[in-house]
Amino acid sequence: GAVVSQHPSWVICKSGTSVKIECRSLDFQATTMFWYRQFPKQSLMLMATSNEGSKATYEQGVEKDKFLINHASLTLSTLTVTSAHPEDSSFYICSASPTGSRETQYFGPGTRLLVL
Amino acid sequence: AQKITQTQPGMFVQEKEAVTLDCTYDTSDQSYGLFWYKQPSSGEMIFLIYQGSYDEQNATEGRYSLNFQKARKSANLVISASQLGDSAMYFCAMRERDNYGQNFVFGPGTRLSVLP
Repeated sequence: GAVVSQHPSWVICKSGTSVKIECRSLDFQATTMFWYRQFPKQSLMLMATSNEGSKATYEQGVEKDKFLINHASLTLSTLTVTSAHPEDSSFYICSASPTGSRETQYFGPGTRLLVL
Repeated sequence: AQKITQTQPGMFVQEKEAVTLDCTYDTSDQSYGLFWYKQPSSGEMIFLIYQGSYDEQNATEGRYSLNFQKARKSANLVISASQLGDSAMYFCAMRERDNYGQNFVFGPGTRLSVLP
């Protein structure tokens, strides 16, 4: 149980295009989902907290218009990197906390984005 | 200020021996949670163990145990009987409440290498 999927797992795109990454909780409902970014050999940096049915809360320094987050249902959150540039190349990981559970979060397998 | 500190960028341990990975944290919350995650080269984040701030006993999960010293604000991970498959990055993380709900903060990580 407690499986989180991400799609796609790998994406290569041209500079200036937009990329959408999906995060799904497969066997539980998640009121809250988190989006992280991880550069090579660095730790995870929280980008935003996504709450179902409301606007996402972005961490300081993260551009809201650049990284659009939609949490339309209790099992799906999407992150859209708009007008991607090479500096957006990174490993993006989502996680989900089961509704009513504060004790843990389950991570997706991550999405590697390479912007050429 | 660094909320989670992991002072060991890299650690080596002989197979079948025990190893302790250090983690200290900083919070003014009374209620918080501490987590350890393992990240192998594949990139996925694997949940290992959780300790709540009000838990009186140290958490244990199989070969993993958490040495929780609340007064010192430390939450060291102990891995007993190391296996070659334990080689990975290990992240200590803390869940605390902020103005927007719950927030997860990750430490910089420790790379563990298990030697045959």
